[in-house]
Amino acid sequence: EVQLVESGGGLVQPGGSLTLSCAASGVTFSSYWMTWVRQAPGKGPEWVANINQDGSEKNYVDSVKGRFTISRDNVKNSLYLQMNSLRAEDTAVYYCARASPRLDYWGQGTLVTVSS
Amino acid sequence: DIVMTQSPEFLAVSLGERATINCKSSQRVLYSSNNKNYLAWYQQKPGQPPKLLIYWASTRESGVPDRFSGSGSGTDFTLTISSLQAEDVAVYYCQQYYSSPLTFGGGTKVEIK
Repeated sequence: EVQLVESGGGLVQPGGSLTLSCAASGVTFSSYWMTWVRQAPGKGPEWVANINQDGSEKNYVDSVKGRFTISRDNVKNSLYLQMNSLRAEDTAVYYCARASPRLDYWGQGTLVTVSS
Repeated sequence: DIVMTQSPEFLAVSLGERATINCKSSQRVLYSSNNKNYLAWYQQKPGQPPKLLIYWASTRESGVPDRFSGSGSGTDFTLTISSLQAEDVAVYYCQQYYSSPLTFGGGTKVEIK
């Protein structure tokens, strides 16, 4: 059974940094693109970033370019999202998802709150 | 960026009746080399992540009840719930995975009338 488990969320002040992790199991992690999707309170999902199988190709939504970095470790079966210069509008539940290329498996999400 | 527009925003349907949700993309999401529409539908219930229902516009994900069906091609797509059940109360989203940034529709909230 495929499982994706996010961690690393929490309360951070504006301008601060946070790194999210997503641990994958039950899947050949290195065979798939992986994605981060976020959902602000009461809003729809927003795709944030994706990364190809070996980490050589990365894409970002414009609003996070230059601030967020997606990466992966295929030995540890883990996906990461380094988030810098956080803003109030980054407050959301962050999900990792497998892209096959549709988003067929999702984690339960981790909440990031940016507030002073 | 490809803009996904869903309608209606809210839908109230009686139990056992048909529910129809529309999704329009600002550009074609049909990849000519494989004749596949890069369009998916998701269901989201409160406190849960989105759940994949339909991909390639009309292929039902494993385990999804056959009352859910998807249709359409190019820029116009439809999700149909043929006989609404109580457990189908949720928000439904379309999403294109044709090109980055991947984009979602604004959602349709389905309720029981």
